[in-house]
Amino acid sequence: DAKTTQPTSMDCAEGRAANLPCNHSTISGNEYVYWYRQIHSQGPQYIIHGLKNNETNEMASLIITEDRKSSTLILPHATLRDTAVYYCIGRVPGGFQKLVFGTGTRLLVSP
Amino acid sequence: DTAVSQTPKYLVTQMGNDKSIKCEQNLGHDTMYWYKQDSKKFLKIMFSYNNKELIINETVPNRFSPKSPDKAHLNLHINSLELGDSAVYFCASSQVGLAATHQETQYFGPGTRLLVL
Repeated sequence: DAKTTQPTSMDCAEGRAANLPCNHSTISGNEYVYWYRQIHSQGPQYIIHGLKNNETNEMASLIITEDRKSSTLILPHATLRDTAVYYCIGRVPGGFQKLVFGTGTRLLVSP
Repeated sequence: DTAVSQTPKYLVTQMGNDKSIKCEQNLGHDTMYWYKQDSKKFLKIMFSYNNKELIINETVPNRFSPKSPDKAHLNLHINSLELGDSAVYFCASSQVGLAATHQETQYFGPGTRLLVL
């Protein structure tokens, strides 16, 4: 699985878009980019995943660069409840794959 | 409805004791996991079971023994507890597909906070 690099922390004002970057320059051709988050004292929560195309769901959008060496998770209108640690994880599909969590980005959404 | 549940939520015990943590999922998934999150917040997989069979064992001391009585349950028994076992333990489940195109999301429980004194 690709090694991912994320900023340690980010701040965002409530109601604004939160853009969380992730570098995964060693990602392989069939490796997906997954995003999970962990709100304080809770278990990690799946957000979104993608391979090449940009993806959007009810929680967030995922923008993957054309060379797939980096991606950005976008929370379009951040709320206080989005304060969490966000993990970007590279993962090959199929089979019995473990999730390898890095240090993630601690996002603080302020009023 | 709780998808992945763990009991107990908090566990405080003395060094040398033996304790168990239970996990149940009602999602119909065939694969379950145990993760450990230490005091520095690093989250690392310990075990994975698929259809009651051990699939992943990440060099965990043999004082830790997972047991899966059925697909919906994966319990973690810890013998001779040590101070370093203090952590938050998360159970997770997923439906694993072997096809190259299959995508799999893991669902996590709320965690069990273990403190060894």
